[in-house]
Amino acid sequence: EDQVTQSPEALRLQEGESSSLNCSYTVSGLRGLFWYRQDPGKGPEFLFTLYSAGEEKEKERLKATLTKKESFLHITAPKPEDSATYLCAVQATNSKLTFGKGITLSVRP
Amino acid sequence: GAVVSQHPSRVICKSGTSVKIECRSLDFQATTMFWYRQFPKQSLMLMATSNEGSKATYEQGVEKDKFLINHASLTLSTLTVTSAHPEDSSFYICSASRAVQETQYFGPGTRLLVL
Repeated sequence: EDQVTQSPEALRLQEGESSSLNCSYTVSGLRGLFWYRQDPGKGPEFLFTLYSAGEEKEKERLKATLTKKESFLHITAPKPEDSATYLCAVQATNSKLTFGKGITLSVRP
Repeated sequence: GAVVSQHPSRVICKSGTSVKIECRSLDFQATTMFWYRQFPKQSLMLMATSNEGSKATYEQGVEKDKFLINHASLTLSTLTVTSAHPEDSSFYICSASRAVQETQYFGPGTRLLVL
């Protein structure tokens, strides 16, 4: 069974304090690993797709990396507007997404 | 872009009535659409996958007669919750992709409250 575990469950940072969010996974045949951002009461917003170990992608203050067992979402010098829940999901060969429970990030000004 | 809309954003209904939720891909053709359910502080749970013009594939434990899904065009899928009960109250989110294996883009969600 495909599994995704995200840690920590919640993270509180001071504005400008860089950190990383972890996503560990087990999947039978990884087709892709996805990161989404979800604001309260809204649907997930697509951030990145990673397809193979060693791949990295960046967007503004966010950088996602991938190994064979986990992915990291690095946040550099976060701002209060980066506060949200970050979801990790893996796509197996059956094309279904399996989501983790998410990491709730709070950035204090 | 890849914009997906949902309507309504919020609905309150009486127990026993049916509720229809629409999901539209606004700027791309979606061969495949997905319906999820999300409980507070929980991950998204896939309910069903629908491909345009064919019957939806439901996940184990999801009642197909209760959650009717129609994907009549490349830009529209509907989820009808039939004979709704309070335990059906939840946040329902759809997603759409150009092809089944491609990136899923999510709608803003629909909050359903059954009294």
